[in-house]
Amino acid sequence: GQNIDQPTEMTATEGAIVQINCTYQTSGFNGLFWYQQHAGEAPTFLSYNVLDGLEEKGRFSSFLSRSKGYSYLLLKELQMKDSASYLCAVRATGGGNKLTFGTGTQLKVEL
Amino acid sequence: DSGVTQTPKHLITATGQRVTLRCSPRSGDLSVYWYQQSLDQGLQFLIQYYNGEERAKGNILERFSAQQFPDLHSELNLSSLELGDSALYFCASSVGAAGDETQYFGPGTRLLVL
Repeated sequence: GQNIDQPTEMTATEGAIVQINCTYQTSGFNGLFWYQQHAGEAPTFLSYNVLDGLEEKGRFSSFLSRSKGYSYLLLKELQMKDSASYLCAVRATGGGNKLTFGTGTQLKVEL
Repeated sequence: DSGVTQTPKHLITATGQRVTLRCSPRSGDLSVYWYQQSLDQGLQFLIQYYNGEERAKGNILERFSAQQFPDLHSELNLSSLELGDSALYFCASSVGAAGDETQYFGPGTRLLVL
């Protein structure tokens, strides 16, 4: 089976940087995804890591360490619209393309 | 807008009833996935179809079934509904079935069982 842990809530200030951590245990790791979800809306794809290291995409970066079972999502120059839930999801080998999601980190951006 | 469409947006029904949720994948995508999101459970994978065939199965209840049609749209059938089935049901699609396949989610169907 798989187990994914992320903090339930975080608060940060507009313009600042925030790091959202995700740890996972899985047999046969085959990729980690980050999604953003505003309340009542569809999850939207942010980033994908399958090899160790940092992937940068504008204000968003994601890091993966497979040996530690650890990833983080880094959000820079925070904006009010970044207030949302951030979902970490892991794909394992042999399971088609199904994703196992963490329960999400609710980020609140304040002035 | 991801390009994945789902109907209906909202559905209110009674316990014991049966409903059908519909999903059309993005143009060119062959895989369709169904997820359930309830307040206490987060996003849970239900089932995946690839080009009409079942590809992977999650903790989908026996009361639930799905299929993917030749035009690649998919339907999720929920029967003998219980109060606990109230949730957001998302459909996602991807180009293929495995590998570096990013899943793109539709807007969801909000089901309320009374």
